[in-house]
Amino acid sequence: EVQLVESGGGLVQPGRSLKLSCAASGFTFSNYYMAWVRQAPKKGLEWVATISTSGSRTYYPDSVKGRFTISRDNAKSSLYLQMNSLKSEDTATYYCARQGVALRAYVMDAWGQGASVTVSS
Amino acid sequence: DIQMTQSPSSISVSLGDRFTITCRASQDIGNYLSWYQQKPEKSPKLMIYRATNLEDGVPSRFSGSRSGSDYSLTINSLESEDTGIYFCLQHKQYPLTFGGGTKLELK
Repeated sequence: EVQLVESGGGLVQPGRSLKLSCAASGFTFSNYYMAWVRQAPKKGLEWVATISTSGSRTYYPDSVKGRFTISRDNAKSSLYLQMNSLKSEDTATYYCARQGVALRAYVMDAWGQGASVTVSS
Repeated sequence: DIQMTQSPSSISVSLGDRFTITCRASQDIGNYLSWYQQKPEKSPKLMIYRATNLEDGVPSRFSGSRSGSDYSLTINSLESEDTGIYFCLQHKQYPLTFGGGTKLELK
């Protein structure tokens, strides 16, 4: 069974940093692109970052580029999101998601339960 | 960036009704469109990928289609478990973009 378990969320002051982790199991982690998607309270979904299988390629929307860094450790089947210079608008539930392969290429075909991040003084 | 305009934003539907949600892409996305269902306090669940392919385990009353730049998710014979919020996602190019969501409730 595919499992994605996020950790590291919490309350953080504006301008500070936070690092999220996602532990993957039930599939060959190194074969998949991985992503972070967030959802502000009562709002829609926003893609935050994607990383290639080896970690050599990363992608971000303008809203987080330069502040957030996605990384992975294939030996540990773990995904990370380093969030710096946090703003109140970064307050959201952050989901770790697997991006599929073949016909499901780049589709978010498995999701974690989410980690809550609140940016407030 | 590709904009995904989803409609309606919310709707109340009766059990057994047929219902369609639509996402319009601002550029050609060539069927690189997936649909997700989200229940309250739960993570999204993949329902349809590549516009028309039903994800494993998803009931056959769900279907996806395309007409030009409009991509649709149809639920035939709505059941109570189908309530929730539905999102589309274009995965043709980065930045990946979601539709605004459709909240489906029972009348």
